[in-house]
Amino acid sequence: EADIYQTPRYLVIGTGKKITLECSQTMGHDKMYWYQQDPGMELHLIHYSYGVNSTEKGDLSSESTVSRIRTEHFPLTLESARPSHTSQYLCASSEQGPSWADTQYFGPGTRLTVL
Amino acid sequence: QKEVEQNSGPLSVPEGAIASLNCTYSDRGSQSFFWYRQYSGKSPELIMSIYSNGDKEDGRFTAQLNKASQYVSLLIRDSQPSDSATYLCAVNWLGFKTIFGAGTRLFVKA
Repeated sequence: EADIYQTPRYLVIGTGKKITLECSQTMGHDKMYWYQQDPGMELHLIHYSYGVNSTEKGDLSSESTVSRIRTEHFPLTLESARPSHTSQYLCASSEQGPSWADTQYFGPGTRLTVL
Repeated sequence: QKEVEQNSGPLSVPEGAIASLNCTYSDRGSQSFFWYRQYSGKSPELIMSIYSNGDKEDGRFTAQLNKASQYVSLLIRDSQPSDSATYLCAVNWLGFKTIFGAGTRLFVKA
């Protein structure tokens, strides 16, 4: 079983608030990812990191930001939440190395609702 | 732009039948291929990975890869209602970014 954790699991918040979604993994994986997924829809990569102090934007434009100060921790921050940010946010991690090692392990997700 | 294409479904099969899920990809340099299962409201979980042409079997699941045709499939034998989920095909290129398909919804009717 994958050891990757996300908090909070559910968050309901008002427009304009700053929020941080937490993601931690205990597997020592170098690569970490944030995906956004609406119900019944496809995964959209919004941020990824190949290691400490490495962050990149994904395929889907996002107003969120991320940081990677420690290997095990990859928080995502929204400076000013809007109703359009309402979605499921999934964190994942994988090992550094050849392509065959890129099995991604997903956290349980954070379901965000912005009123 | 590297792409991974899947039929969105839904694919409906009776219990005990073989479910066949298909995926095509655009980048000939792709090296690793993964099938994930995602139950409604849950996170994706890995079912199988395959790296070489041919078949790879794991219990009721068989992954098939044909790099010349840029095609990867997942067969589920003796389908069970508990197999009802969305199946995501994912393709990795040179150890860098993995691209996920949009997924195929499978319904197994009891």
